[in-house]
Amino acid sequence: EDQVTQSPEALRLQEGESSSLNCSYTVSGLRGLFWYRQDPGKGPEFLFTLYSAGEEKEKERLKATLTKKESFLHITAPKPEDSATYLCAVQANTNAGKSTFGDGTTLTVKP
Amino acid sequence: GAVVSQHPSWVICKSGTSVKIECRSLDFQATTMFWYRQFPKQSLMLMATSNEGSKATYEQGVEKDKFLINHASLTLSTLTVTSAHPEDSSFYICSARGQSALGEQYFGPGTRLTVT
Repeated sequence: EDQVTQSPEALRLQEGESSSLNCSYTVSGLRGLFWYRQDPGKGPEFLFTLYSAGEEKEKERLKATLTKKESFLHITAPKPEDSATYLCAVQANTNAGKSTFGDGTTLTVKP
Repeated sequence: GAVVSQHPSWVICKSGTSVKIECRSLDFQATTMFWYRQFPKQSLMLMATSNEGSKATYEQGVEKDKFLINHASLTLSTLTVTSAHPEDSSFYICSARGQSALGEQYFGPGTRLTVT
């Protein structure tokens, strides 16, 4: 069974204080690993797809990396508007195309 | 691109009535749509997967007669909560995946259902 574990559950940072969110996964044949951002009361917003170990993707202050067992979402010099819940999900080559989601990391950035 | 809309954004209904939620992909054709339920401060719980023109595949524990899903076209899927009860109150979110997408899903803004 595919599993995704995200840590920490919650993270509080001062504005400008860089950090990383972790997503550990087990999957039988990785098709893709996805990062989403979810604001309260809204649907998740797609951020990145990573397909193979060693791959990196960047968008503004966010950089996602992937190894064979985990992914990191690095946040450089965060701003208060980066506050949100970040969700990680994996999709196996099988499993009818469904994604398995982690429970998310809730990031709060204080000014 | 890749915009998904949901309607309504919130709805209040009385116990025993039915509620229909629409999910539309506005600028792409969605071969697969997913319906999720989310409780406060919890992650997404997949309810069912639907492919255009086919019957939906429900996750274990989800009552298919209570949560009716129809994926009539490549841009529209509907979720009908039949004979709603207070315990059905939740945040319902749909997502869509296109024909050429390599796995990522695009989510709607969600529908807040309150059953009184």
